[in-house]
Amino acid sequence: SYVLTQPPSVSVAPGKTARITCGGNDIGSKRVHWYQQKPGQAPVLVIYSDSDRPSGIPERFSGSNSGNTATLTISRVAAGDEADYYCQVWDSSSGAYVFGTGTKATVL
Amino acid sequence: QITLKESGPTLVQPTQTLTLTCTFSGFSLIASGVGVGWIRQPPGKALEWLAIIYWDDDERYSPSLKNRLTITKDTSKNQVVLTLTNMDPVDTGTYYCAHKAVRGNWFDPWGQGTLVTVSS
Repeated sequence: SYVLTQPPSVSVAPGKTARITCGGNDIGSKRVHWYQQKPGQAPVLVIYSDSDRPSGIPERFSGSNSGNTATLTISRVAAGDEADYYCQVWDSSSGAYVFGTGTKATVL
Repeated sequence: QITLKESGPTLVQPTQTLTLTCTFSGFSLIASGVGVGWIRQPPGKALEWLAIIYWDDDERYSPSLKNRLTITKDTSKNQVVLTLTNMDPVDTGTYYCAHKAVRGNWFDPWGQGTLVTVSS
């Protein structure tokens, strides 16, 4: 089955840029989606189809995808961005949905 | 506005069958491209996709849990039901249902989730 690997944690100072990676075999050939999950809350979609933002998501959130790595970038990080972030793809060969291992983003 | 809400038991005994209901509004499960999925999250751990049912009755399951899962829909009630047999303490966690977008294979929005504990 398809596997998505994320770093367990990233730390970033307020106002700086956070980059969260999601690794998978030839992930660049798939569409990657990203979710933000704050403690005690359900996940919220922040990026879909590699780099598109849903309505209401700040422009500070952006995404890219190429080769074996997809990246979620959060610019001008604020305290409210502290959360767990998950990548997700759909594996067309099996019809299964796959989530990444998750990354805890900490604002210093 | 699309909303989803999970309901079911909060405590299940080992070996029992878990039945969860997702009641939704703001969309129809007969519209082309629509789906409702189930995802769970053990305490302190990552999200795990379980199953999805589509507007055309197609069903897909997590390969690791396929033998224990069943997903059904009742379009007249705007509900999707998930059953998981032979529950074990490792199945403890928060269970979410979520709307699969018409335009692509992502989930938005999600229900609030329901915590299920497996214990005797």
